[in-house]
Amino acid sequence: GAGVSQSPSNKVTEKGKDVELRCDPISGHTALYWYRQSLGQGLEFLIYFQGNSAPDKSGLPSDRFSAERTGGSVSTLTIQRTQQEDSAVYLCASSLRLAGDRTDTQYFGPGTRLTVL
Amino acid sequence: AQSVTQLGSHVSVSEGALVLLRCNYSSSVPPYLFWYVQYPNQGLQLLLKYTSAATLVKGINGFEAEFKKSETSFHLTKPSAHMSDAAEYFCAVSRGRGTYKYIFGTGTRLKVLA
Repeated sequence: GAGVSQSPSNKVTEKGKDVELRCDPISGHTALYWYRQSLGQGLEFLIYFQGNSAPDKSGLPSDRFSAERTGGSVSTLTIQRTQQEDSAVYLCASSLRLAGDRTDTQYFGPGTRLTVL
Repeated sequence: AQSVTQLGSHVSVSEGALVLLRCNYSSSVPPYLFWYVQYPNQGLQLLLKYTSAATLVKGINGFEAEFKKSETSFHLTKPSAHMSDAAEYFCAVSRGRGTYKYIFGTGTRLKVLA
């Protein structure tokens, strides 16, 4: 596709339920990122995937959050036992990450708005 | 540690007036700096980026930003605001050399008045 796509665009769930958010990166991009955008706050880094390397999970706020990337392409962010404070917009981005590239532009998807009731 | 401060969560300007969105950063190493724009219900779009070449960076839609090391600033400007510029703008910093972690500011929502 032309850009990063995310689904669903909106998700409303009840407290305690599990949710899965999907990200389709730009074809050929080796790096994939997840961010969380809470109301009135900037973007918070969650997790980073690069090729076949172990992901950087340092931004995940709790062990209820996990993510995987299958086949170096599509990624799924899973939130277990959702809490009200998980309500936010979850943004996915991808980038080329070419060797020797001193700057690497991240291209963002439209996000998934998660509301936990 | 790096950080980004955007002064003013909301800025209003009249159509045709100068747009000035402020961004100050702190970084222990020469930074790479970015401005992104987010239109309603859309993802972030890169406006421009500073990568230690020219200190005055020109971006899309007539925006530009100047890197001032002495002031640790990277303010975004546009000479004449257009109604279509109404959006939220985010400043971000990375440690450079392709480091993937961006630190984002809290954003500034720009309103353009007719």
